[in-house]
Amino acid sequence: GDSVTQMEGPVTLSEEAFLTINCTYTATGYPSLFWYVQYPGEGLQLLLKATKADDKGSNKGFEATYRKETTSFHLEKGSVQVSDSAVYFCALSEPTSGTYKYIFGTGTRLKVLA
Amino acid sequence: KAGVTQTPRYLIKTRGQQVTLSCSPISGHRSVSWYQQTPGQGLQFLFEYFSETQRNKGNFPGRFSGRQFSNSRSEMNVSTLELGDSALYLCASSTNRGGEQYFGPGTRLTVT
Repeated sequence: GDSVTQMEGPVTLSEEAFLTINCTYTATGYPSLFWYVQYPGEGLQLLLKATKADDKGSNKGFEATYRKETTSFHLEKGSVQVSDSAVYFCALSEPTSGTYKYIFGTGTRLKVLA
Repeated sequence: KAGVTQTPRYLIKTRGQQVTLSCSPISGHRSVSWYQQTPGQGLQFLFEYFSETQRNKGNFPGRFSGRQFSNSRSEMNVSTLELGDSALYLCASSTNRGGEQYFGPGTRLTVT
């Protein structure tokens, strides 16, 4: 069945370091892909999305490219800040059997140290 | 536009009781989904409503139910609460099914 796999956390980085959080997926068709972020005590917020192969989603310095050949959607940021400390979720949405599947990864906790 | 609102934000119940949680989606959003988030199981899909009809259901027992009203507001109900139902319950709305979802802050349910 469809699934989303994220790298285990926590990921601990120093401020201004480069960030990569890996995400791979399995899907039967052509899903839309998303990254969400959850700050402590809050719900999830949409960070970026991509709806077709080779699309690049970007927002607030974060970006991710929909790679169909490697079934990946890795999240990157060139220079992280302490305020980026949060849990990041990769997710996919795919139509199936007249409805939609929305599947989230397990989340990756990012800690950024000053 | 106002975001997704959920009430109450915090709830403490006793095992065996029932609880109703409420979600008001973003104006114009017709799809509402509910998720259970726990440290051990992560984010698990409960159900999705669109135009007052349940369109999708996750793998949860029948004690978990929901409904959607004509104004797209949604409620979920959990009957005969168990300790394992303690979790953060998140509601998300979207303009169309399968698109990006907008989440509320969640209701933190503690069952004692």
